[in-house]
Amino acid sequence: TQLLEQSPQFLSIQEGENLTVYCNSSSVFSSLQWYRQEPGEGPVLLVTVVTGGEVKKLKRLTFQFGDARKDSSLHITAAQPGDTGLYLCAGEAVTGTASKLTFGTGTRLQVTL
Amino acid sequence: GAGVSQSPSNKVTEKGKDVELRCDPISGHTALYWYRQRLGQGLEFLIYFQGNSAPDKSGLPSDRFSAERTGESVSTLTIQRTQQEDSAVYLCASSSIGTSGFVGEQFFGPGTRLTVL
Repeated sequence: TQLLEQSPQFLSIQEGENLTVYCNSSSVFSSLQWYRQEPGEGPVLLVTVVTGGEVKKLKRLTFQFGDARKDSSLHITAAQPGDTGLYLCAGEAVTGTASKLTFGTGTRLQVTL
Repeated sequence: GAGVSQSPSNKVTEKGKDVELRCDPISGHTALYWYRQRLGQGLEFLIYFQGNSAPDKSGLPSDRFSAERTGESVSTLTIQRTQQEDSAVYLCASSSIGTSGFVGEQFFGPGTRLTVL
């Protein structure tokens, strides 16, 4: 079983602060996705990283895939209340012709004024 | 439809009753997933359908849980003899083949909130 541990589990910060969320595993993934989920809704994809060491930026969000493709991080600059939500990483593992996503444990972020 | 839909949105049932949850994926998506999400927690994988391949049932927590999918369309998740610990939000997602050749973006439905009294 491939496990993806996210840290921290909970994070409460004030508007304007920076933060980093980590997603770690002992397994290698062929790609890794980050999702954000708001209350009462399903998760929505933010980004997919595929190459070890890859860095992608989405406005104030920076995503990095570890060189060994076992871990990833999400950094948010100058957080805003609209960033509040549950952040989930999901690793893709390929076995033969089958592929499956394994979701991380989640990081709940609250940004206050 | 435009997105993944699930029904019912809320279901309250008594312990011991059977429930059936429905998922309508995005048309053309070959892959369909069911997840369980307990309050304030991450997603727990339940079952995965991909085209005509045998489903990956490795996440089903007990033999009270089963799921079916008709072709590449509707899927139903059935929970028999419900228990209080089954209370959770059940999320369905569908995807097409992604750029890596396998998993693409998963599009989630709004979920069915199940409460077992």
